[in-house]
Amino acid sequence: KNQVEQSPQSLIILEGKNCTLQCNYTVSPFSNLRWYKQDTGRGPVSLTIMTFSENTKSNGRYTATLDADTKQSSLHITASQLSDSASYICVVSEEYGNKLVFGAGTILRVKS
Amino acid sequence: GAVVSQHPSRVICKSGTSVKIECRSLDFQATTMFWYRQFPKQSLMLMATSNEGSKATYEQGVEKDKFLINHASLTLSTLTVTSAHPEDSSFYICSVGHRGGNQPQHFGDGTRLSIL
Repeated sequence: KNQVEQSPQSLIILEGKNCTLQCNYTVSPFSNLRWYKQDTGRGPVSLTIMTFSENTKSNGRYTATLDADTKQSSLHITASQLSDSASYICVVSEEYGNKLVFGAGTILRVKS
Repeated sequence: GAVVSQHPSRVICKSGTSVKIECRSLDFQATTMFWYRQFPKQSLMLMATSNEGSKATYEQGVEKDKFLINHASLTLSTLTVTSAHPEDSSFYICSVGHRGGNQPQHFGDGTRLSIL
């Protein structure tokens, strides 16, 4: 069964600190992997999208990595800010990009 | 700026009421739009794919007579929750963009539906 699992479920960090969120998937055939940020009560906003051949992609303070061999991805947030508090969702595209499998998300809270 | 506009953002109504949610593509013509439902602390679940000028494609377990989808133009899709009941209370989100390929989908800001 195609699945996307994220860890941790939730995380609390101090402002200015770094953190890394994990995503493991069993989706096959793999097309691409996306990370989204979803603020409370809002729709998800795309952070990064990576294909099979890409190992890392950055978007400002967000850096995503992908290991297609182990089917793992991570999202690293550098120098966290209060506005980074949100749910981060890992989404893997299957069937040559025609179907999206969503992870349950990691809820990040950044404290001052 | 926003690529997708969803309206209303929040609805509170009595059981038995039908509720219409609009999803507009602002930046480009969308032949396909997607409707998702999200329960608290859970991931988005695809409900249906809205196709301009033709019938929507519903995911397994989603009642097409309960959730009516109309995609009459290239910029507007509507989801009507008919005779809503408390168990229909959820966060409904639409998106536009290619489901396949390597371009991100653009999501609306969602509609919080609460049925009393």
